[in-house]
Amino acid sequence: DTEVTQTPKHLVMGMTNKKSLKCEQHMGHRAMYWYKQKAKKPPELMFVYSYEKLSINESVPSRFSPECPNSSLLNLHLHALQPEDSALYLCASSQSKGLEQYFGPGTRLTVT
Amino acid sequence: GDSVTQMEGPVTLSEEAFLTINCTYTATGYPSLFWYVQYPGEGLQLLLKATKADDKGSNKGFEATYRKETTSFHLEKGSVQVSDSAVYFCALLNNAGNMLTFGGGTRLMVKP
Repeated sequence: DTEVTQTPKHLVMGMTNKKSLKCEQHMGHRAMYWYKQKAKKPPELMFVYSYEKLSINESVPSRFSPECPNSSLLNLHLHALQPEDSALYLCASSQSKGLEQYFGPGTRLTVT
Repeated sequence: GDSVTQMEGPVTLSEEAFLTINCTYTATGYPSLFWYVQYPGEGLQLLLKATKADDKGSNKGFEATYRKETTSFHLEKGSVQVSDSAVYFCALLNNAGNMLTFGGGTRLMVKP
């Protein structure tokens, strides 16, 4: 089973709201990733967690706050977003660094 | 830095036609190479991979060979189906194994 699940599937939020995206995998993978994908563009890496520790932050604004409570779960907390943050947010996982990444279906976020 | 270049789309083919999507890369060392497919409204699915020179990845009738001498990883399929219509992304994983670099994506449209 190579399934990564993400909730919610769609999210609409105002610029003053606080919301969270959730990602879960039960494959025993120890690396997890957040990507942002704008329409007709490739995914862009935001964060990498390895063994539940943040190892890469690609200069992402502080209004995006990742959290890895355990090895199966990855959250992305959102606060005071801008309309230009509207995008598809993809979570991925890999058994470890250096191996293929498996992606979830994404959360389509609209900021109004 | 690492980069991936794909042929621009859209590529429009008739059913049962032969498919080639070109992909070339620039990277230091010996990256792993991947093809991902994204169907409308969905996340990315790993299609195939190759981890060293001359490796051939294959899956669902798609093939790609890791050519170090030409720094290429072209995707091919002998006979496309309407259900193959999607966006295809070529990607490389850096030597540290923690960062995927994607090409711009190629949209394939297959007509009956």
